[in-house]
Amino acid sequence: TQLLEQSPQFLSIQEGENLTVYCNSSSVFSSLQWYRQEPGEGPVLLVTVVTGGEVKKLKRLTFQFGDARKDSSLHITAAQPGDTGLYLCAVMEYGNKLVFGAGTILRVKS
Amino acid sequence: SAVISQKPSRDICQRGTSLTIQCQVDSQVTMMFWYRQQPGQSLTLIATANQGSEATYESGFVIDKFPISRPNLTFSTLTVSNMSPEDSSIYLCSVFLRGLNTEAFFGQGTRLTVV
Repeated sequence: TQLLEQSPQFLSIQEGENLTVYCNSSSVFSSLQWYRQEPGEGPVLLVTVVTGGEVKKLKRLTFQFGDARKDSSLHITAAQPGDTGLYLCAVMEYGNKLVFGAGTILRVKS
Repeated sequence: SAVISQKPSRDICQRGTSLTIQCQVDSQVTMMFWYRQQPGQSLTLIATANQGSEATYESGFVIDKFPISRPNLTFSTLTVSNMSPEDSSIYLCSVFLRGLNTEAFFGQGTRLTVV
């Protein structure tokens, strides 16, 4: 069983559309991170959410941490081809281990 | 932030051979992490490398197959030994920097193809 369930696995949308990616778990976390990875590169941190109910915005990206700190969502408004990539949620486990969700591949077509 | 140089960026290797991947960080870090990733999929932790001690391996990964060196606080190597086509994957090294929130930095990865 995956610690973090991420959905959808794959999204292919047109430029200008909105989308939401979900990251769910039955466990409670002190914090949760979202990373984006482009082909041929390592993942890059987008945001860390810490407080239940917290909402953070990064330009057209809106991140929310669930009230119970068990889930999170990433919403992209007016997606652009530059948003194309693999989106990963992640949490820190005991022993300083970063555990990732299965990932969502986003493709934005122009 | 941390800048991580990983090499080689890609390689095609014959089965039965070994490949050593190098990871150089521009700052001193206690722990370095090695991950494996199938293209378009999530990252799986292979092991944690601490300077001055043996690496700690995750379930399903063993030292004989993935020996790791950590000679100092800025460098580590991962060797993929006696390779088979099932070892074809992307291998990434990573470090944490602790500030307000812990942030992981990654090398650009090594794309390995075993033929």
